[in-house]
Amino acid sequence: GENVEQHPSTLSVQEGDSAVIKCTYSDSASNYFPWYKQELGKRPQLIIDIRSNVGEKKDQRIAVTLNKTAKHFSLHITETQPEDSAVYFCAASNGGSSNTGKLIFGQGTTLQVKP
Amino acid sequence: GAVVSQHPSRVICKSGTSVKIECRSLDFQATTMFWYRQFPKQSLMLMATSNEGSKATYEQGVEKDKFLINHASLTLSTLTVTSAHPEDSSFYICSAPFRGRGYTFGSGTRLTVV
Repeated sequence: GENVEQHPSTLSVQEGDSAVIKCTYSDSASNYFPWYKQELGKRPQLIIDIRSNVGEKKDQRIAVTLNKTAKHFSLHITETQPEDSAVYFCAASNGGSSNTGKLIFGQGTTLQVKP
Repeated sequence: GAVVSQHPSRVICKSGTSVKIECRSLDFQATTMFWYRQFPKQSLMLMATSNEGSKATYEQGVEKDKFLINHASLTLSTLTVTSAHPEDSSFYICSAPFRGRGYTFGSGTRLTVV
């Protein structure tokens, strides 16, 4: 089955710096790669996602890149702010455009942005 | 749109009792529901997949007799933790895919077994 590895487990940056979180996946059939931000005791919140037919996607300070050949994808946060501090999860699924495949999560990264 | 309502949000039960967690899709038909468990400071681990009208599919290592999953209708999936023990204390959360738009999550249930 699918396995998603996420690194680093913790990341500390200064406010204004960039943060990069990386994930690799094992199932070459995976075609949907979302990133979530989760606050303690709350549901994951989608911050950005990318599909396998796209190599990069950007939304203001957040971007995701996908390398299908290497089976890895990364989250890039620029101009980090203290409110970006949270736990971030990557995930992968192979459900196609209908998104019916099971979603497998990485181990999570605790991001701390120091003022 | 694509809201999943999960109840209860918190439950405390005595060891040996059973607890039922419900997830309802409010504005769409959820033919599939994924159930996850999350221990403190860990990731969401997929437990099982329920499909309306058929038996649930359990991930390796998940006891199907302990975690009973029922998907009785297109809008309701339930997870029953049977004979709960303290080690079952965790955060349980459901998720449903909705066509072409990703996955929507319930708000989660914090289960504490005393």
